[in-house]
Amino acid sequence: GAGVSQSPSNKVTEKGKDVELRCDPISGHTALYWYRQSLGQGLEFLIYFQGNSAPDKSGLPSDRFSAERTGGSVSTLTIQRTQQEDSAVYLCASSLAGLNNEQFFGPGTRLTVL
Amino acid sequence: AQRVTQPEKLLSVFKGAPVELKCNYSYSGSPELFWYVQYSRQRLQLLLRHISRESIKGFTADLNKGETSFHLKKPFAQEEDSAMYYCALRGGSEKLVFGKGTKLTVNP
Repeated sequence: GAGVSQSPSNKVTEKGKDVELRCDPISGHTALYWYRQSLGQGLEFLIYFQGNSAPDKSGLPSDRFSAERTGGSVSTLTIQRTQQEDSAVYLCASSLAGLNNEQFFGPGTRLTVL
Repeated sequence: AQRVTQPEKLLSVFKGAPVELKCNYSYSGSPELFWYVQYSRQRLQLLLRHISRESIKGFTADLNKGETSFHLKKPFAQEEDSAMYYCALRGGSEKLVFGKGTKLTVNP
């Protein structure tokens, strides 16, 4: 079966514009995560969805960032009024429910804010 | 607070030499520790986790709670081991807390 997919693979935008990044998790995975991979900063947790529970938004860096997950499957990460410091690779991961399950990562979306 | 420290940004060894990638963590409870690897132009993937206590691609890692460490070791490095390695911690919730990563280069 297909792994986690993300689109677009690359996105170049101008400062101040809004962007939407999409994640398609592995079919049947109820847990979905967004991480950000910045140069020199490693991987930072952004947000986590599990089934119908309220998402864990504790990693979102500002209120310009939001995410939703429709129908328990596809997720969209939205960044409003982008800033240059938002430039990074945004990674999505999915897993089966439960603390012992492996997270499978997508290829990422490379966002460049000019 | 949960924190993972990988003190080496870059590590270079010769083929056949032993390699150790260091990882220290900070967490007040009982953590679950992982090593993830990202080869060039490939996606991040799980290498091993401490609860499995298994060897993957010749790599092993032992959780040392006294020293709060989870160092990754391989006795004889191969060129194909060149990659970015991330240590990660999961403590009490689903999210992973990652270190900043170590880029391993194995020279011929």
